[in-house]
Amino acid sequence: GQQVMQIPQYQHVQEGEDFTTYCNSSTTLSNIQWYKQRPGGHPVFLIQLVKSGEVKKQKRLTFQFGEAKKNSSLHITATQTTDVGTYFCAGRDNYQLIWGAGTKLIIKP
Amino acid sequence: DGGITQSPKYLFRKEGQNVTLSCEQNLNHDAMYWYRQDPGQGLRLIYYSQIVNDFQKGDIAEGYSVSREKKESFPLTVTSAQKNPTAFYLCASSTVPANTGELFFGEGSRLTVL
Repeated sequence: GQQVMQIPQYQHVQEGEDFTTYCNSSTTLSNIQWYKQRPGGHPVFLIQLVKSGEVKKQKRLTFQFGEAKKNSSLHITATQTTDVGTYFCAGRDNYQLIWGAGTKLIIKP
Repeated sequence: DGGITQSPKYLFRKEGQNVTLSCEQNLNHDAMYWYRQDPGQGLRLIYYSQIVNDFQKGDIAEGYSVSREKKESFPLTVTSAQKNPTAFYLCASSTVPANTGELFFGEGSRLTVL
């Protein structure tokens, strides 16, 4: 079946280091969405990418959609404690929204 | 404030009992969804509805039932037929049917089977 693989499952960083999570789809996607879920919370929409090769920025967050519309990445520059949580990608394949398993960002004490 | 309200936030159930999770939205959204979240996994779709009095099964509908009698409400019943119901349940809604819009989530209901 259709899948969206998201890696890594966890990433431990020191505060101030960068963080990146990657999503890869087995099929071409019509668009891809990114969500953030704080510990104990619910997913909150961050952004949607639609065009091939699209790059969008939100302050320290950079989102990319691959040329073939099969992969996407989220990069956070200089992480802060407020960035802690799990980041999910969700790709649209026709009428389905297919979720990655998430990458948990952990800030080392 | 507009949003999605789920209740209860925590629920404990004995084996063999049915339970119903409430989801109410005042965002005037057409589409509503129920997802299940287990640790280390992405969200899995249980049921969705694009219009009142109509709903479709998602990927893991077995052991669950829903109704959509009002636009604002989409309750989920976890039946005794669901073999492993302990999970975090998330209700969501969107402005357009199913295929383009962002999802707005409620705060979730955590169900534990004793």
